[in-house]
Amino acid sequence: GAGVSQSPRYKVTKRGQDVALRCDPISGHVSLYWYRQALGQGPEFLTYFNYEAQQDKSGLPNDRFSAERPEGSISTLTIQRTEQRDSAMYRCASSLSSGGNEQYFGPGTRLTVT
Amino acid sequence: AQSVSQHNHHVILSEAASLELGCNYSYGGTVNLFWYVQYPGQHLQLLLKYFSGDPLVKGIKGFEAEFIKSKFSFNLRKPSVQWSDTAEYFCAVNRDDSWGKLQFGAGTQVVVTP
Repeated sequence: GAGVSQSPRYKVTKRGQDVALRCDPISGHVSLYWYRQALGQGPEFLTYFNYEAQQDKSGLPNDRFSAERPEGSISTLTIQRTEQRDSAMYRCASSLSSGGNEQYFGPGTRLTVT
Repeated sequence: AQSVSQHNHHVILSEAASLELGCNYSYGGTVNLFWYVQYPGQHLQLLLKYFSGDPLVKGIKGFEAEFIKSKFSFNLRKPSVQWSDTAEYFCAVNRDDSWGKLQFGAGTQVVVTP
């Protein structure tokens, strides 16, 4: 079956622009997660959803970052007024549930802010 | 403070050599433990996982890991590496006070030379 998909795979944007990153989880997976990975580092948690409910957004760095999953399937991570420090790989993952289960990752979106 | 520590950032070894990557975490509660691998140009894939039971777990491609609770460690091993094991390896921890998010180590880049 299909894995987690993310789009776009690469995004170059100018500082100050808004960007929207999309994640399509594995069908039937209840939980969806967003991570950010800087070069040379491991992924860092941003937020996660069970169905459409955002359960934990403690990792969102500031209020320019937001995420939604309105119908409990596809999710969008939005970064407003992008800054150069937002440049990173943004990874999405999904799991059957959030009870400590293994997470399946998508290919990521490489965001570059110029 | 770093919750998950991986001891080596870069490891270079020859084919047929043995590999051991260290991982320590700092949390006294219940954890689920994972090793993920990222091959060049690919996304993060689950190598193996530990939830409970036998502390020696076997994963794909001949990898295994041992959970030593008293040492808060979950080291990854492979007796004889192949060139195709060249990849970045990430240790990850899921804690019972925050089941929804994985905490990753910084990763170890492993290069296997022919």
